[in-house]
Amino acid sequence: NFMLTQPHSVSESPGKTVTISCTRSSGSIASNYVQWYQQRPGSAPTTVIYEDNQRPSGVPDRFSGSIDSSSNSASLTISGLKTEDEADYYCQSYDWVFGGGTKLTVL
Amino acid sequence: EVQLVESGGGLVQPGGSLRLSCAASGFTFSSYEMNWVRQAPGKGLEWVSYISSSGSTIYYADSVKGRFTISRDNAKNSLYLQMNSLRAEDTAVYYCARGPWNGYIDYWGQGTLVTVSS
Repeated sequence: NFMLTQPHSVSESPGKTVTISCTRSSGSIASNYVQWYQQRPGSAPTTVIYEDNQRPSGVPDRFSGSIDSSSNSASLTISGLKTEDEADYYCQSYDWVFGGGTKLTVL
Repeated sequence: EVQLVESGGGLVQPGGSLRLSCAASGFTFSSYEMNWVRQAPGKGLEWVSYISSSGSTIYYADSVKGRFTISRDNAKNSLYLQMNSLRAEDTAVYYCARGPWNGYIDYWGQGTLVTVSS
């Protein structure tokens, strides 16, 4: 099976844009959809992106997803950062493989 | 409104057993595939088990195969996870999660904590 590798942590200021990467270890990132889940401290995860770049209803359009075959990675981009975006973010793909999670700090 | 409410967690000794339940409401439970996903304290998410809408197809993570059993009762709108031969490394919050095999989870429960310790 493959692994999904995420940076352990990222930080950015309110109002700025941040991108979190998710790199697939083997096989093409484009061959299976990638999802992104947000988990605020003490809460259950919620879905912010599914099928690479689709937003569930209720998720603001500040959240966007993409894939890059050249780096074999998926990315979650959050623009106009708000303090409420501070959370752990997990990518997930085929065979229910999860990335290790990225802690986003908005300072 | 879709709701998934887990119950049954608690403290159990190594080698013991526990049965988790997930009560579903707000959608036609019998039409949806379901999963259990767990999260050890301070760690990431780990998929545990999947069951198809009819219960005819089931998958397990290697880490729990042979020890855990997933089941569902569509008449009671409920999902279950029978956990036997529990180990310290099974200590985690267990989430009930709606989603198809190789798809994505669209709804998560709030989770129930299982602690395996003597």
